Amino acid sequence: DAKTTQPNSMESNEEEPVHLPCNHSTISGTDYIHWYRQLPSQGPEYVIHGLTSNVNNRMASLAIAEDRKSSTLILHRATLRDAAVYYCILRDLDMRFGAGTRLTVKP
Amino acid sequence: EAQVTQNPRYLITVTGKKLTVTCSQNMNHEYMSWYRQDPGLGLRQIYYSMNVEVTDKGDVPEGYKVSRKEKRNFPLILESPSPNQTSLYFCASSLRLYNEKLFFGSGTQLSVL
Repeated sequence: DAKTTQPNSMESNEEEPVHLPCNHSTISGTDYIHWYRQLPSQGPEYVIHGLTSNVNNRMASLAIAEDRKSSTLILHRATLRDAAVYYCILRDLDMRFGAGTRLTVKP
Repeated sequence: EAQVTQNPRYLITVTGKKLTVTCSQNMNHEYMSWYRQDPGLGLRQIYYSMNVEVTDKGDVPEGYKVSRKEKRNFPLILESPSPNQTSLYFCASSLRLYNEKLFFGSGTQLSVL
């Protein structure tokens, strides 16, 4: 079983912010939280990762709860090209992706 | 260009005919892994390798073999493919393990008849 729990699907309107949640209640102190996304007919691509502090990059922001048992990927202004399956994983030897969250972006 | 290259992109074969899917990376990465993706099941790890000559089983290793004789290559071997191995396969690599992002190949769609 995946070590993370995500909603199966979410919807957003174009140019609005999107908050994708992830629960990882069994996280250990050395587990990095990684997010990847998979566009249709493509391999997964890296989005962002972090350990304890919130992280920002050109694609997104990652907000990590103080107890590290949950995190949220934030897309500040969703575009149609952001429609994808988003995976939250704990970076370990046997990385388990789970089914991810399918994000639909409506024009 | 930094990349993970898988070949072939598509493969149709018959039950029992040995096949190899190749994976190569040009980034001097230590960590490499194989995943299969099936509808509704997400990505499941088959095997991973921490470095040359070091490999270990993931979640679904049955029916697969791997080898890591050199750093850049990590082939996936199906000695006797069966229809339940029909799937989309991805190879991935990273510089090391924990604090490094994974780079994925474009995938290999395998059909076993």
